[in-house]
Amino acid sequence: EIVLTQSPATLSLSPGERATLSCRASQTVSSYLAWYQQKPGQAPRLLIYDASNRATGIPARFSGSGSGTDFTLTISSLEPEDFAVYYCQQRSSWWTFGQGTKVEIK
Amino acid sequence: EVQLVESGGGLVQPGGSLKLSCAASGFTFSDSAIHWVRQASGIGLEWVGHIRGKVNNYATAYAASVKGRFTISRDDSKNTAYLQMNSLKTEDTAVYYCTRGVLTNFDYWGQGTLVTVSS
Repeated sequence: EIVLTQSPATLSLSPGERATLSCRASQTVSSYLAWYQQKPGQAPRLLIYDASNRATGIPARFSGSGSGTDFTLTISSLEPEDFAVYYCQQRSSWWTFGQGTKVEIK
Repeated sequence: EVQLVESGGGLVQPGGSLKLSCAASGFTFSDSAIHWVRQASGIGLEWVGHIRGKVNNYATAYAASVKGRFTISRDDSKNTAYLQMNSLKTEDTAVYYCTRGVLTNFDYWGQGTLVTVSS
């Protein structure tokens, strides 16, 4: 099973700041990596697929990069609605998720 | 508008059974893979299993943690997928989401249904 490790566990930032979230895979997943946002009481929402492609309706402040084993989700300037938990997910070998990074208001 | 709506969750005793439903609309259901993903106590997401569409002969696959106990099926005439859960354990307690799988990711999700396994 491919294990995805996200860091940091919690990111404390202020609105307007840049957020950089990391996801590392235990073995290569090529570019088959997606990112999701989840707010309390809601289902996850697809943000980025295939490492760097924004899903429909996702604002341009969200961007993804990386390939192989190291991936990054960047939020260029945090809006109030961006404070949430973010998960990465791979599809190279079955489907697994990272444990999540919580982006909280500082 | 794509919609997925789960139902059927509730409280069940260990060793018991429960069947969840996922009603879909807004897309060609028979062509689509439907996955089940669960989340225990708001932490972590775990893929449970999937059923592929007609063109892939409705193939199914399951996570090791549920294989042999859970069964996924679908009725394309009703645009509905199902998750039959048998021999339930306390560790199966979670919110269960159905989601549409597209190649490498999950693009639409239901709101989830809570399953609690407890005596």
